[in-house]
Amino acid sequence: IQLTQSPSFLSASVGDRVTITCRASQGISSDLAWYQQRPGKAPKVLIYGASTLQSGVPSRFSGSRSGTEFTLTISTLQPEDFATYYCHQVKSYPISFGQGTRLEIK
Amino acid sequence: QLQLQESGPGLVQPSETLALTCTVSGASIVSRRYSWGWIRQPPGKGLEWIANIYYKGDIDYGPSLRSRVTLSVDTSKSQFSLKLRSVTAADTAMYYCARYIFGTSFDTWGQGTLVTVSS
Repeated sequence: IQLTQSPSFLSASVGDRVTITCRASQGISSDLAWYQQRPGKAPKVLIYGASTLQSGVPSRFSGSRSGTEFTLTISTLQPEDFATYYCHQVKSYPISFGQGTRLEIK
Repeated sequence: QLQLQESGPGLVQPSETLALTCTVSGASIVSRRYSWGWIRQPPGKGLEWIANIYYKGDIDYGPSLRSRVTLSVDTSKSQFSLKLRSVTAADTAMYYCARYIFGTSFDTWGQGTLVTVSS
């Protein structure tokens, strides 16, 4: 199953609302997770089941699904949110990741 | 609190075997709810899933490295291991171990270990 993220690169300002999209090449129900990776750090899960917030993750992060299109929304960007984001399908093996979206400060 | 820690050489010669171990602490490696995975990330690139292993030894492989990968688990030591044979410079990457909750996500990751393939 291929996952295509868009955009690959995003420039935004603190306080902005941003949306990242992940499209699956076939149906995966809601079996999708989102991760945040800060430079030099391991990825951290933000959302699983397309829309369930991982414990401890701020509520400004949210996820949704429409068919095979998934979105990660950050409602009000904070300085610590500038990072790379990956989607990850867990519907079937081989599990796979999107190519990543790099979010940078404008 | 669950913690995972990768260990192994940071430099491997081309054509040799890369060998890493992940030590799990703070939770049992024996569980029907989880498997234990390896993911790698070449410098400046994205995440690539390598394989997952269950405590009983069953393995799910990613397609790209399947022919060169061996995974094993030692429940008595709370460790699982990765061996990647016949490495080349293209195998230079940060290697992460992580816990996989079936059908949800890799919820806990090690800090990663950088492996460089070079003579």
